[in-house]
Amino acid sequence: ILNVEQSPQSLHVQEGDSTNFTCSFPSSNFYALHWYRWETAKSPEALFVMTLNGDEKKKGRISATLNTKEGYSYLYIKGSQPEDSATYLCASRQGGSEKLVFGKGTKLTVNP
Amino acid sequence: EAQVTQNPRYLITVTGKKLTVTCSQNMNHEYMSWYRQDPGLGLRQIYYSMNVEVTDKGDVPEGYKVSRKEKRNFPLILESPSPNQTSLYFCASTKRGGPSSYNEQFFGPGTRLTVL
Repeated sequence: ILNVEQSPQSLHVQEGDSTNFTCSFPSSNFYALHWYRWETAKSPEALFVMTLNGDEKKKGRISATLNTKEGYSYLYIKGSQPEDSATYLCASRQGGSEKLVFGKGTKLTVNP
Repeated sequence: EAQVTQNPRYLITVTGKKLTVTCSQNMNHEYMSWYRQDPGLGLRQIYYSMNVEVTDKGDVPEGYKVSRKEKRNFPLILESPSPNQTSLYFCASTKRGGPSSYNEQFFGPGTRLTVL
């Protein structure tokens, strides 16, 4: 089974801090990497889908980078706000498989 | 409004009593999938479907059945539920090509199931 790891498991920051966390996945036969934002009592919502080595995507204060050769992706949040508090999930898919395998997530809490 | 709907949202049942959780999407997506979310384990895929009449097992299919007779619906069936199937269940759909392409998944609101 494809193993996707996220770190840290949880993170507490102060409002205004910038933060980042990591998703690690097998680099062999990589196809796509997804990031989702999951607020408590809601459904996961897609942030980014990334496929190319060196790719960088941005949505407002949130950005992500991808290194497919070494098998990791970083998610960055600039100037964290309390509304950024959520669990951030990454998911990886390998070539030849239709399955999307999720990590366990990083739970971010932003204190006002 | 483009969405994935699930019913029921909450269900408490007893061991062995067959149940079905419905999932429907109005986006004409080919790919649909069921996940379960358990504390400390992340989202794990139960079954997925690439299109009508095409279904395949995910990582944790034991104790579940699915069907895909119409494009918009993908029900999850528990023939004889057991307490270890107590979980939060999510249905998701994606445009043609599934998560194997570059398209994001759209998730339903979740169904919290308790099996006593």
